[in-house]
Amino acid sequence: SQTIHQWPATLVQPVGSPLSLECTVEGTSNPNLYWYRQAAGRGLQLLFYSVGIGQISSEVPQNLSASRPQDRQFILSSKKLLLSDSGFYLCAWSVRGGELFFGEGSRLTVL
Amino acid sequence: DAKTTQPPSMDCAEGRAANLPCNHSTISGNEYVYWYRQIHSQGPQYIIHGLKNNETNEMASLIITEDRKSSTLILPHATLRDTAVYYCIVAYPGYNTDKLIFGTGTRLQVFP
Repeated sequence: SQTIHQWPATLVQPVGSPLSLECTVEGTSNPNLYWYRQAAGRGLQLLFYSVGIGQISSEVPQNLSASRPQDRQFILSSKKLLLSDSGFYLCAWSVRGGELFFGEGSRLTVL
Repeated sequence: DAKTTQPPSMDCAEGRAANLPCNHSTISGNEYVYWYRQIHSQGPQYIIHGLKNNETNEMASLIITEDRKSSTLILPHATLRDTAVYYCIVAYPGYNTDKLIFGTGTRLQVFP
């Protein structure tokens, strides 16, 4: 069966520090991969999606970046965090588009 | 921008049916309607999807109007554990489909 893991689960970082959130999927090949962010009390905002290795599409301008070094690995990064980067980050995968499977989420607090 | 419109909140008594509406007037012919829910501090969970026929599974029923411009998610016997934010999304489920956009959803509160 397919599983998705993302880590770390919680993170407290100072402003200006770097960020790396990692997501891996097991049990499937060539999935579509997604990073979403949810600010406190808000809906889900799509940040990045990827349909293959090295193929990244960005949805919103920001100081975050994403990379897909392997088929089932998706990484969200920042060189210098801002206060506004705080939120709940969710990785998701799909094979046929609409049916998404989400990870447990990573809660980032930037101080 | 999301292609769907949902009421921001709804209440439902435990044991009664919860009927959650969604408008998607600009849906295209090959787009499906998907429903997800998000319980507080968890990742969203897939519920059900459909194209034009009504669908039912162990969690819910999906009723899509004949013109496909709106749909209703039905939780037949709501429980307290169904309290969550429910998202309606339209998307094409093809291989290599790109972005899936969530709207703000409907916050369903089930009360005893």
